[in-house]
Order: sequence, then C-alpha cells, then structure tokens
Amino acid sequence: EAQVTQNPRYLITVTGKKLTVTCSQNMNHEYMSWYRQDPGLGLRQIYYSMNVEVTDKGDVPEGYKVSRKEKRNFPLILESPSPNQTSLYFCASSFWGGAHNEQFFGPGTRLTVL
Amino acid sequence: SQQGEEDPQALSIQEGENATMNCSYKTSINNLQWYRQNSGRGLVHLILIRSNEREKHSGRLRVTLDTSKKSSSLLITASRAADTASYFCATADPFPNDYKLSFGAGTTVTVRA
Repeated sequence: EAQVTQNPRYLITVTGKKLTVTCSQNMNHEYMSWYRQDPGLGLRQIYYSMNVEVTDKGDVPEGYKVSRKEKRNFPLILESPSPNQTSLYFCASSFWGGAHNEQFFGPGTRLTVL
Repeated sequence: SQQGEEDPQALSIQEGENATMNCSYKTSINNLQWYRQNSGRGLVHLILIRSNEREKHSGRLRVTLDTSKKSSSLLITASRAADTASYFCATADPFPNDYKLSFGAGTTVTVRA
C-alpha cells in the first residue's frame, strides 16, 4: 500500500531532550517536507527536500534540523526541544516538482514538550 | 511566502445541502490545491487546479479559480455526514519558488444529520 509513515505518533518529552521523528514513504517520491499545525495557524512548512542530500528551509525552520540521506526517509530532529514546539507535525511527499503535485501526508505526530 | 485565507472559518449545514467555501491569496500562483482533514488526521488531497484553468470537477466537488480576483472556491454538493472535516487551500508560488506549498488556516465544515 502506498503510504507515508511517521513515528512515533504521540510523544511527550521534556525541554532540552533531543528527539527525532521519523518519516518514510514507499512511493519513490523525490519531494518530501515537514509541516507543523497549530490551532488557527493552519499548516506551516518547516523544511523540505527536493531530492537526496538536497534540503532547504521552509517558513518556520528555527529549532529544527532535517536530513535526507536516502530517498525514502526524511527525519525531523529537534536538538533541544522547547514548549513552543508543542504541536501536531506532518510529513508529506510528492513526485518531482514539489508543489506542482498533490502531497501525500502521513498520519501526524502529536508532540508535547513540557 | 504567501498563505491562502479560507472563508468562512466555520460552516454548519444540513445533510443534503451544498457547502461553499472560499480561498483568497495575495500573489500570483502556479497552482492551487484543496485538501481535507478529518479531525486530527493527515490531510487528503482533493483537487489541484492550475493557474490557466477556471473550473474543475471531481465527483461532488467543484473548484473554481479566478486569478484576476486571486480567489478560489470549493463547492461540495449534496453533503453527507462523512464530509464533516476541515478544508484547506494551498497555493504554490510561481517559478522559482514553486517548490513551496503554503496552506491557509482552513474552513471547518460540520454536516448535521
């Protein structure tokens, strides 16, 4: 089944404790991205990747890191999480051209930073 | 990057009625997409309409795009309880920034039985 998977789905952590949210897609998509969703603000793009080893900042990259060593995986890293990073996170992927095509979204990761 | 704005923020309709929501954006676009999100779940793509298209249909969905007014509308006909969800428009800027997709805050639709 074609899908985007994220893990974990739920995470409660404490300020400053490094964490990684994994994202994997099985559709051979070149474009992958991370969004955070906060009430009243819609989805805001954190980082995106056009292809392996090619990443760039979205609209709200501060406090986040990403890497794209393999085509299928695009992990989101929070080196030192803070309470303002409490949010619902979505990974998405699409064929080449990113915004030219429909995005396939993962199920989301609900993160709480205490 | 620009962000679309949906209107209204919330909409409550009776089953069988039509639901219309609008999206406005600020700068020229490459395409505009509509997505649906059931409570707390991942977004699902509904329709993509390109800047040179004016109208597109998919089942009970009809999307229009007016680039002169920088606006789009999504019409859901003969609504069902399963249409209860939040609906988002997303815009892609023209080249060379067409790799970024910007989402609005969404319209929450409630369909009453």
